[in-house]
Amino acid sequence: IAGITQAPTSQILAAGRRMTLRCTQDMRHNAMYWYRQDLGLGLRLIHYSNTAGTTGKGEVPDGYSVSRANTDDFPLTLASAVPSQTSVYFCASSDSGQTEAFFGQGTRLTVV
Amino acid sequence: AQSVTQLGSHVSVSEGALVLLRCNYSSSVPPYLFWYVQYPNQGLQLLLKYTSAATLVKGINGFEAEFKKSETSFHLTKPSAHMSDAAEYFCAVRRGSGNNNDMRFGAGTRLTVKP
Repeated sequence: IAGITQAPTSQILAAGRRMTLRCTQDMRHNAMYWYRQDLGLGLRLIHYSNTAGTTGKGEVPDGYSVSRANTDDFPLTLASAVPSQTSVYFCASSDSGQTEAFFGQGTRLTVV
Repeated sequence: AQSVTQLGSHVSVSEGALVLLRCNYSSSVPPYLFWYVQYPNQGLQLLLKYTSAATLVKGINGFEAEFKKSETSFHLTKPSAHMSDAAEYFCAVRRGSGNNNDMRFGAGTRLTVKP
């Protein structure tokens, strides 16, 4: 079934550790996004990529980095995790920037 | 910049009753507007979208929303709630001429359906 796959589904991480959240899509969408979801705040954009080889900062980019080496993969890295990065992370993609976004199932990250 | 306000973080209705979830937006340019639904432990799924065509938009699962420019609103309705409608609902806005990296989400409204 075509869609977006995120891994891991959940993770408990010690503060200060490095962590990469994986996201792969098989829909050949040009644009991909990373959001974090926090209670009472909805979804906030961390980073995005409108096409392979390019990335941009969203609303809350600090402490996160991304890369887009190819169309299908868009990993999100936390270089040194802090407790405030405890959240549910969603990867999404869209055919271009113009159509609606499709979301993965999410990664629940707890930083202790 | 665009923004969205969802009125009511929690809404509770009885099965068979009208569902009304409120969304007001702010945008300096013509917007695209979206409603997404999130079931427990799942990602977001598009319910419906407004992209400057008909102001009354019909979506999946019997939901619809009406774009009212004069009220800057895009409220979501369903005539008769089902137990399966219990979920979190998010309204989102972006510039019609922009990209999805411009998209901004509301804080969400949790819908509870009572038997």
